[in-house]
Amino acid sequence: DIQMTQSPASLSVSVGETVTITCRASENIYSNLAWYQQKQGKSPQLLVYAATNLADGVPSRFSGSGSGTQYSLKINSLQSEDFGSYYCQHFWGTPWTFGGGTKLEIK
Amino acid sequence: DVQLQESGPGLVKPSQSLSLTCSVTGYSITSGYYWNWIRQFPGNKLEWMGYISYDGSNNYNPSLKNRISITRDTSKNQFFLKLNSVTTEDTATYYCAREKGDGYYVYFDVWGAGTTVTVSS
Repeated sequence: DIQMTQSPASLSVSVGETVTITCRASENIYSNLAWYQQKQGKSPQLLVYAATNLADGVPSRFSGSGSGTQYSLKINSLQSEDFGSYYCQHFWGTPWTFGGGTKLEIK
Repeated sequence: DVQLQESGPGLVKPSQSLSLTCSVTGYSITSGYYWNWIRQFPGNKLEWMGYISYDGSNNYNPSLKNRISITRDTSKNQFFLKLNSVTTEDTATYYCAREKGDGYYVYFDVWGAGTTVTVSS
């Protein structure tokens, strides 16, 4: 199975700051990567697919980048509604696996 | 809009079977895409369990070996999860989700709200 290592596990930030979350795959996943946001008590919601494509309705302050085994999710000018948990997931051969998550908290 | 909704017992005894239903509205599960089950353990780790495709074929996570079965009722536009011989390790929130593709890349674009299942005697 492909292992997805996500960092950091948690982050304490202020509204208006910029954050970057990283995800490293144990082998090349050829940009077959998605990012999800999950609010407390809710299901994950798609943010980014194919490493760089924003899902419908996702604000432009979110951006995805990367290739090979290294990927990043960047959030510019954090808003209060952006706090929650973020997960990466690969789609390069089943079983699909997820990163361990990054919890974004308000400082 | 496509919507998915999980339902089923919230409590299952060890060694018994866990059975959940995902009801889909707004899109026929036979028209396309792949219909998945994903679970999230206490502590928040996410695990993909498997899917049933629009044509009825299956793909399961090998970690679940032969404990898992995903079937469907096309007349009701529902698909089902059955997990046999459960233990307390199967306690989790279970989600159904649609796996959509753009020809090369795939992703989970619609998720249900999730249902929590506790395995306990």
